[in-house]
Amino acid sequence: GAGVSQTPSNKVTEKGKYVELRCDPISGHTALYWYRQSLGQGPEFLIYFQGTGAADDSGLPNDRFFAVRPEGSVSTLKIQRTERGDSAVYLCASSSSGPYNEQFFGPGTRLTVL
Amino acid sequence: AQSVTQLDSQVPVFEEAPVELRCNYSSSVSVYLFWYVQYPNQGLQLLLKYLSGSTLVESINGFEAEFNKSQTSFHLRKPSVHISDTAEYFCAVSDQGYQKVTFGTGTKLQVIP
Repeated sequence: GAGVSQTPSNKVTEKGKYVELRCDPISGHTALYWYRQSLGQGPEFLIYFQGTGAADDSGLPNDRFFAVRPEGSVSTLKIQRTERGDSAVYLCASSSSGPYNEQFFGPGTRLTVL
Repeated sequence: AQSVTQLDSQVPVFEEAPVELRCNYSSSVSVYLFWYVQYPNQGLQLLLKYLSGSTLVESINGFEAEFNKSQTSFHLRKPSVHISDTAEYFCAVSDQGYQKVTFGTGTKLQVIP
């Protein structure tokens, strides 16, 4: 069966550019999560969607980061004016509705800001 | 606020030897605890979890972890490791089930033949 997919797998950009990272959750999963994993660190929570709305965006580091999920399925994480410190692996996970249903992670997008 | 401490960044162990990966947490409210595993070139996978009930939880591949509230620990153990257990292991905590999970920095388990 299809798991969580993320595109692109790798993205190299220059400082100051805009990037979009895409996440396709498991079909039927209403909850979607974004995490960021910097080198040598564990994943860090960014934002959680329940359906189309962001239920908790307290992990977004600043207003350069924004995420959408307009139809309650695919989600896009958008980063404006990228900085070298944004370089990390961005992970997406999805789960069935409810806080006690297991999250399934995608393979991640490795973002490198030069 | 919640946090997780994994003191050991790397743990080398010989094949068929026992292993313990340490995890300590802090949380101000009720706690849910997880161990995730990341095999080389693969995504994060849930290994085992404590949500409620028995404090000793087991995985299908022989790992176990015990929730110890007094010591605020959730150490991961396996009595005999295999080469295929080589991976990075992340301990994690939440006060809202799977929502807003806080991860530790990870421990790389290197099984030596």
